[in-house]
Amino acid sequence: KNEVEQSPQNLTAQEGEFITINCSYSVGISALHWLQQHPGGGIVSLFMLSSGKKKHGRLIATINIQEKHSSLHITASHPRDSAVYICAVDYGGATNKLIFGTGTLLAVQP
Amino acid sequence: GAGVSQSPRYKVTKRGQDVALRCDPISGHVSLYWYRQALGQGPEFLTYFNYEAQQDKSGLPNDRFSAERPEGSISTLTIQRTEQRDSAMYRCASSLRGRQPQHFGDGTRLSIL
Repeated sequence: KNEVEQSPQNLTAQEGEFITINCSYSVGISALHWLQQHPGGGIVSLFMLSSGKKKHGRLIATINIQEKHSSLHITASHPRDSAVYICAVDYGGATNKLIFGTGTLLAVQP
Repeated sequence: GAGVSQSPRYKVTKRGQDVALRCDPISGHVSLYWYRQALGQGPEFLTYFNYEAQQDKSGLPNDRFSAERPEGSISTLTIQRTEQRDSAMYRCASSLRGRQPQHFGDGTRLSIL
């Protein structure tokens, strides 16, 4: 069982829809990252957060520390948002390693 | 360049050969990470450097895997006596310092025949 669980694993949406991807983790963390992996394979960091909410353009990330849960929202989705979205957590301590979820494959259809 | 650079992009080699994968982080980035990613999976942590010090190598699968960053900049991940199960995408990332957003390279796709 992965320490970092994402849902759904696959998501198909129509252009313009509001999208939510969820991430749950098992113990207290130092920070949570959301990353985007494009079909070409490159990985881009979207957000790093340890509390509350962050917004960048049409992307919003929230985290509930008590419930050990984070969500990534995409407003007014577009086909160019199609990618794998990956949640990763930093459990703190001396190391800075990230533990990754398996990703959510998003396809936005025109 | 402005980003994390990895070479080679693709490496195909026969079982039993040694391979060396290179990572050139963003200039000035103190922290460097190596990850391995199997198809359809998220990346898996291998090892972490702070400057030239290897501070965490808990993710290295066995003693065939080693990594170094002798001058605190470029890093090399070496796999000795490769096996087919070593086939994967190997990714490097760097950050300005620990607990900062990580910038990923495009990876090296390793195939062991």
